[in-house]
Amino acid sequence: EVLMTQSPASLSVSPGESATLSCRASESLSINLAWYQQKPGQAPRLLIYGASTRATGVPVRFSGSGSGTEFTLAISSLQSEDSAFYYCQQYNYWPTFGQGTRLEIK
Amino acid sequence: QVHLQESGPGQVKPSETLSLTCSVSGGSIGSYYWSWIRQPPGKGLEWIGYISNSGTINYNPSLKSRVTMSVDTSKNQFSLNLDSVTAADTAVYYCSRSWGPSDYWGQGTLVTVSS
Repeated sequence: EVLMTQSPASLSVSPGESATLSCRASESLSINLAWYQQKPGQAPRLLIYGASTRATGVPVRFSGSGSGTEFTLAISSLQSEDSAFYYCQQYNYWPTFGQGTRLEIK
Repeated sequence: QVHLQESGPGQVKPSETLSLTCSVSGGSIGSYYWSWIRQPPGKGLEWIGYISNSGTINYNPSLKSRVTMSVDTSKNQFSLNLDSVTAADTAVYYCSRSWGPSDYWGQGTLVTVSS
């Protein structure tokens, strides 16, 4: 099983600032990495796939980068609606998720 | 717009079988993989398995001995059976459309294992 490790576990940022979330894989994934946003009581929403391609309707404030074992989700101009859990997921092997990062907009 | 909706009992007794169905509307169940993913209360996401209309199936190795998935193309539905459930199987169960990542998700259904 490919282990996905996200950091930090939680993050508190002021509106208008930027946030950087990290995801590390235990094996090389090429670019077969996705990011999801999940708000309380809702299903996850696909944000990024192929490590850096935004899904349909995702604001340009969200950007993904990385390849191999190190990946990053960057969110600029943070808004209150961005408060959520963010999960990375690899699909290069049997799909596995990271444990999530809680992002709070204070 | 593709829409997925899970249905099934909200409570299952220990040692019994959890059975859920996902109904797909707004698109054909063909040409994609369809997944079940679960999330225990307050915890992260776990992939259960995926299935295609052509019969390709792949289960999470940790659940493989208890999981069965099937597709009914005539009804545009796919289903999950999880045998011999315990309290550890209590979770919100999601169905999704997957082609690598999952781009469409159902709203999720909470299944509680309790006597």
